Amino acid sequence: DTGVSQDPRHKITKRGQNVTFRCDPISEHNRLYWYRQTLGQGPEFLTYFQNEAQLEKSRLLSDRFSAERPKGSFSTLEIQRTEQGDSAMYLCASSPKRRYNNEQFFGPGTRLTVL
Amino acid sequence: AQKVTQAQTEISVVEKEDVTLDCVYETRDTTYYLFWYKQPPSGELVFLIRRNSFDEQNEISGRYSWNFQKSTSSFNFTITASQVVDSAVYFCALSVQGAQKLVFGQGTRLTINP
Repeated sequence: DTGVSQDPRHKITKRGQNVTFRCDPISEHNRLYWYRQTLGQGPEFLTYFQNEAQLEKSRLLSDRFSAERPKGSFSTLEIQRTEQGDSAMYLCASSPKRRYNNEQFFGPGTRLTVL
Repeated sequence: AQKVTQAQTEISVVEKEDVTLDCVYETRDTTYYLFWYKQPPSGELVFLIRRNSFDEQNEISGRYSWNFQKSTSSFNFTITASQVVDSAVYFCALSVQGAQKLVFGQGTRLTINP
């Protein structure tokens, strides 16, 4: 049983560039989440999908951020016009729809550095 | 709004000592769920336990035990006979019925010295 995978693991970009991250959830999981973690802090929720529907977005998700899950499988998170404050670890998680408020299984994360 | 507080930023103990990580939560919801995750140096968050607000029984899993007390809004985590491999950052998290997101505390960095 493979876990959640994320690609790339590391991304270095210059301020103002666009970046896109990919997340592949555990195959039978229909819920997918994105979080952001800055150094020394706990993860902060960004957005959540159930199948292909984006059901919740945090206020942290500014209009420069967009997430998609077009076929209810993998998801992408795009950041446009990156800023130095976007530097963080971006975590993806998935969970099954067996019951409410399941444990979420996390991927290894994508570490973004904006120069 | 929900909030999780882990007041201990860093803890350092010698191997084989017992150690307790504190977690205090805030929510007005009557149905909620509490979690503990471990983040080793490799960075990937590892799920440890899920507990719902109606189940106040303490739980033991090997060297790990959890003490849930609604009266003090606490969900503390104890590692007995700690080992070097327990060194990691530990996060407590909360979610409420009807909202899937996890609200995390700031984490406690635990270092077990040989």
